[in-house]
Amino acid sequence: EVHLVESGGDLVQPGGSLRLSCAVSGFTFSSYWMHWVRQAPGKGLVWVSRINLDGSETNYADSVKGRLTISRDNAKSTLYLHMNSLRVEDTAVYYCTRGIDAGSSRIGFWGQGTLVTVSS
Amino acid sequence: QSALTQPASVSGSPGQSITISCTGTSNDVGGYDYVSWYQQYPGKAPKLMIYDVTNRPSGVSYRFSGSKSGNTASLTISGLQPEDEADYYCSSYTRSITYVFGTGTKVTVL
Repeated sequence: EVHLVESGGDLVQPGGSLRLSCAVSGFTFSSYWMHWVRQAPGKGLVWVSRINLDGSETNYADSVKGRLTISRDNAKSTLYLHMNSLRVEDTAVYYCTRGIDAGSSRIGFWGQGTLVTVSS
Repeated sequence: QSALTQPASVSGSPGQSITISCTGTSNDVGGYDYVSWYQQYPGKAPKLMIYDVTNRPSGVSYRFSGSKSGNTASLTISGLQPEDEADYYCSSYTRSITYVFGTGTKVTVL
């Protein structure tokens, strides 16, 4: 059974940093594109970033470019989101998501999310 | 990248059919057959319902179907049931090598 388990969400002050993790199981992690998607409280879904199978290609939404960095450790079957220079508007539940099938970049399976709150 | 445009709410009675629209541009919805639809219950993670415009993942009811014409994609739910009451989001790949979601539609079963 596929499992995506996010962790690392916390309360952080504006300008602070945080690292989110997503531990996966139930599938061959190195065969799948991975994404981060976020959802502010009471708001809609917003795509954040994606990373290819070996981590050599990454893409970002303009709103996070230069501040958030996606990475992966295939040996540990773990996806990361390094968050710097955090802003109040980054407050959201962050979902780790997997491609629909091996080699596909379209978003298919979702974790349960981890809450990041940016506030002074 | 601006969000794709969806109606804020759509409602229908049990057994009826409803359609949710998702309007973008030639740089996203109109330019690629990579439109997906997701269902989300309050406080829960989204679930994939349709991908690549018309494809239904294993386990998703046949009552859900997708289509596209020009820059507008659509999700149709036929034989509406109480458990279909949820938020629905479309998504598309874009020319900027990113993804964009729709504004979301709340479906109410009357």
